[in-house]
Amino acid sequence: KQEVTQIPAALSVPEGENLVLNCSFTDSAIYNLQWFRQDPGKGLTSLLLIQSSQREQTSGRLNASLDKSSGRSTLYIAASQPGDSATYLCAVRGDSNYQLIWGAGTKLIIKP
Amino acid sequence: NAGVTQTPKFRVLKTGQSMTLLCAQDMNHEYMYWYRQDPGMGLRLIHYSVGEGTTAKGEVPDGYNVSRLKKQNFLLGLESAAPSQTSVYFCASSNVAGTKETQYFGPGTRLLVL
Repeated sequence: KQEVTQIPAALSVPEGENLVLNCSFTDSAIYNLQWFRQDPGKGLTSLLLIQSSQREQTSGRLNASLDKSSGRSTLYIAASQPGDSATYLCAVRGDSNYQLIWGAGTKLIIKP
Repeated sequence: NAGVTQTPKFRVLKTGQSMTLLCAQDMNHEYMYWYRQDPGMGLRLIHYSVGEGTTAKGEVPDGYNVSRLKKQNFLLGLESAAPSQTSVYFCASSNVAGTKETQYFGPGTRLLVL
């Protein structure tokens, strides 16, 4: 059974720092992996989607990498801003039933 | 552009009461999903639908029923609410699963069962 883990559960850094969020999964047979952002009281917004054949995806200050063999993905945020404060979740889609399996998220706080 | 909307935003129920959560999407998506989110845990899929008139069980379907009578609406029902169903419920929709498929989420419904 696929399990997705995100460590740490919470992270607080000063504004301007570059940071890395981690996501690990136990079964490497995945179709794709996605990173989402969740703001308090709001729904989730998709940030980046990486196909199993890809190594990374970039969008603005965000870069997500995928290493299937080691069961790991990272979300790199460059030059962090207070507006980046949110909970970041990763989710993997299996290559059999296509359902998303979610991590519990990392709550990120960027201090001005 | 409304996207995915959920009704109600917040509800308090007593144990044993019933209620229906409504999800509506205006993107003409085929797939719709109901998730629950509990503290310290990832989202868990309750039920999903691959098209109008079809539904399927997800990871945690017990205690819930769903209906997809219209393509744009996906209803989640609790017939006899239990405290264990206290959670935040999210609805999502997507176009037909493919290499670039992603899900679009509603703002959530916070449910408290006393």
